[in-house]
Amino acid sequence: AQSVTQPDIHITVSEGASLELRCNYSYGATPYLFWYVQSPGQGLQLLLKYFSGDTLVQGIKGFEAEFKRSQSSFNLRKPSVHWSDAAEYFCAVEAGGSQGNLIFGKGTKLSVKP
Amino acid sequence: EAGVTQSPTHLIKTRGQQATLRCSPISGHTSVYWYQQALGLGLQFLLWYDEGEERNRGNFPPRFSGRQFPNYSSELNVNALELEDSALYLCASSFGLAGADTQYFGPGTRLTVL
Repeated sequence: AQSVTQPDIHITVSEGASLELRCNYSYGATPYLFWYVQSPGQGLQLLLKYFSGDTLVQGIKGFEAEFKRSQSSFNLRKPSVHWSDAAEYFCAVEAGGSQGNLIFGKGTKLSVKP
Repeated sequence: EAGVTQSPTHLIKTRGQQATLRCSPISGHTSVYWYQQALGLGLQFLLWYDEGEERNRGNFPPRFSGRQFPNYSSELNVNALELEDSALYLCASSFGLAGADTQYFGPGTRLTVL
């Protein structure tokens, strides 16, 4: 069965530092992958997605992610974190076939130190 | 362009009652998805509707049901409410092309069961 693992429950970085959030997936075929961000009490905002093609995808707010098939990973990166990036980040894989739904990781909460 | 909207924002019910949550998709989208985000359980898929039909269902009991109207808006009904149904319920919409599509989320409805 498909699954998504986000190994880090909580990460704290200093403002201006670089960021990498890890995501590993389990999927039999070429996955459709997503990163969403959720501020407290809010819905999910799409940061970026990978369907096919270039394995380095650019998203909003200066985020990027790299799909590595050999490592079954889709890590999210940002070169310089801003205080407003503090939120919870979710990696997701589309379930495939005709199922339609997304399978989410447990999320990584990002705190930003001034 | 308006995003996905959900109503009400908050809903307080007592155990055994019924709750009705509503969702309006992005204009042009035909698919609506419902997810439950309960504390400690992460984001779990509930239901998928496309063109008025239920297309897929997550691992939830039958007291979770819904429908999709001709204008593609959707309603989630939860009967015989239990304390553990307290959660943020998120609705998402897409163009309905499962396997190569992007789901956009609404702000959610916070359901509290007392």
